[in-house]
Amino acid sequence: DSGVTQTPKHLITATGQRVTLRCSPRSGDLSVYWYQQSLDQGLQFLIQYYNGEERAKGNILERFSAQQFPDLHSELNLSSLELGDSALYFCASSVGVTDNQPQHFGDGTRLSIL
Amino acid sequence: AQSVTQPDIHITVSEGASLELRCNYSYGATPYLFWYVQSPGQGLQLLLKYFSGDTLVQGIKGFEAEFKRSQSSFNLRKPSVHWSDAAEYFCASARGNNNDMRFGAGTRLTVKP
Repeated sequence: DSGVTQTPKHLITATGQRVTLRCSPRSGDLSVYWYQQSLDQGLQFLIQYYNGEERAKGNILERFSAQQFPDLHSELNLSSLELGDSALYFCASSVGVTDNQPQHFGDGTRLSIL
Repeated sequence: AQSVTQPDIHITVSEGASLELRCNYSYGATPYLFWYVQSPGQGLQLLLKYFSGDTLVQGIKGFEAEFKRSQSSFNLRKPSVHWSDAAEYFCASARGNNNDMRFGAGTRLTVKP
């Protein structure tokens, strides 16, 4: 058990819809990261938040957004969903930003677009 | 730009045999290096990490990895594979800022009885 909790585990929706994925980091971790894992693109970094502030952006589409709340949980919002958005979305957390502590991953949310 | 290459997409070994999974990184300076394992339906679990010092790193579940600067490699090894080791293995590198972690494409390990 990594201590990172993601909900829901599975999500099935239709094209054009909007969904919200939720992540609770490990106790004490201030950084939250979002990743997308798909068969064709592999594991791709989307975005990072540190203590409520956006820290870094990776290959995140404009239709996607995220935020980190004062209690440090984070939400990833995906809108105008397309078939290609079907993937496994992981959240990870770490203690800080520039320290050399590794990231700890949740079990992911599997998103299926019909 | 930094990148991570895992040359082997799929490896099959017999239970009890030794294992080596290859990983090459591309970065001017020595990055931080990690190996993660992903079981079906699960998230990634950290096996081991290398930041500096001893180039042979011990991890969980009997895994070890050796950093070789001359070969830009960080190969994962295990002397005797168990059926429960069947999973996907990812090598990753970072520059010290976690926001720049790059993952390899992964190597799927199948263990034959």
